[in-house]
Amino acid sequence: GNSVTQMEGPVTLSEEAFLTINCTYTATGYPSLFWYVQYPGEGLQLLLKATKADDKGSNKGFEATYRKETTSFHLEKGSVQVSDSAVYFCALQNTGNQFYFGTGTSLTVIP
Amino acid sequence: DGGITQSPKYLFRKEGQNVTLSCEQNLNHDAMYWYRQDPGQGLRLIYYSQIVNDFQKGDIAEGYSVSREKKESFPLTVTSAQKNPTAFYLCASSIDDGARWQFFGPGTRLTVL
Repeated sequence: GNSVTQMEGPVTLSEEAFLTINCTYTATGYPSLFWYVQYPGEGLQLLLKATKADDKGSNKGFEATYRKETTSFHLEKGSVQVSDSAVYFCALQNTGNQFYFGTGTSLTVIP
Repeated sequence: DGGITQSPKYLFRKEGQNVTLSCEQNLNHDAMYWYRQDPGQGLRLIYYSQIVNDFQKGDIAEGYSVSREKKESFPLTVTSAQKNPTAFYLCASSIDDGARWQFFGPGTRLTVL
């Protein structure tokens, strides 16, 4: 079946620290992979995506590379800011119109 | 501006009452979804609809009902049969621009007293 596993939080970092949030997936075929961000009290916003192996998605300083050999899509940012504090969700979309989400990782960045 | 509107932002109901959550999109998307989010948890799919007048149950459909009479609208009714309805409800629609991904509304927080 299809599923997404992401590292449990919460994660607390100092401003300008390096961020990694791990995400691994299980899927048949060739899914598309996504990272979404959710700020308090709001809906999810697409952060970045990748549609095939070795694709790198990037946006707002965040990056993630679709690694088929390790079935991973880890989120990274070189220097986090206080405004990056949010909950981050890894997700996949396989055949059809269904999407599968991880449980979310809460990030708090302190000045 | 195109987007998804969910109203109201906060909703309070007494136990035993049915309540309907609104979701409207002007993005011309065919597929729409309802998710439930509980504190510290991920998203769980309640229902989804791929086309007007058609919808499918998700993982936690019991105690909920939906309709899709118009492409733009996908209301969710939380019935009195739902044992624990207090949660944050998210509506989404999907777009395909080389990858099929979801666009989310701002959510409705339902509290049953």
